[in-house]
Amino acid sequence: EDQVTQSPEALRLQEGESSSLNCSYTVSGLRGLFWYRQDPGKGPEFLFTLYSAGEEKEKERLKATLTKKESFLHITAPKPEDSATYLCAVQGSSNTGKLIFGQGTTLQVKP
Amino acid sequence: DSGVTQTPKHLITATGQRVTLRCSPRSGDLSVYWYQQSLDQGLQFLIQYYNGEERAKGNILERFSAQQFPDLHSELNLSSLELGDSALYFCASSVAGTRGTQYFGPGTRLLVL
Repeated sequence: EDQVTQSPEALRLQEGESSSLNCSYTVSGLRGLFWYRQDPGKGPEFLFTLYSAGEEKEKERLKATLTKKESFLHITAPKPEDSATYLCAVQGSSNTGKLIFGQGTTLQVKP
Repeated sequence: DSGVTQTPKHLITATGQRVTLRCSPRSGDLSVYWYQQSLDQGLQFLIQYYNGEERAKGNILERFSAQQFPDLHSELNLSSLELGDSALYFCASSVAGTRGTQYFGPGTRLLVL
């Protein structure tokens, strides 16, 4: 069964304090791993798609990496506006594009 | 703005009632997905439609049903509502049916009293 586990559940950082969020996954035939940002009461906002081990993508202060078992979302010099819940999801090799989500990491960045 | 629209934004109703949630996908997207997000379960896949046909079912209750119309908009029907159905319901869309990025709408917050 496809499964996604994110850690930590919650993370508090000071502004400028870099850190990483982890997403461990088990999936039969990875078609894609996705990172989303979600603000309270809002819809998930797409950040990155990774397709194969070794792939990396960057956007502003965020960088996502992928191995065969896990993905990391690195946050460099975060700002208070980066505070949100970050969701990881996988898409497996089946006749559907459904996403399996982890429980998310809630990030709080204090000024 | 993802380009996916959902109505209504909020819905308050009573147990036993029936409601309909509506979703319009991004222009050009053929797949529509419905997800439920509750505090204890996280984001759970309910059902997928691709170009008008049901493609996959997830943890969707028999009291719930959905359809995708010829103009590709989709509706999620929830009937015989229970307190536990209170949640955020999200619609997402993608171009293809089996892979690719999904873009999410703003959601419908359902409260069953």
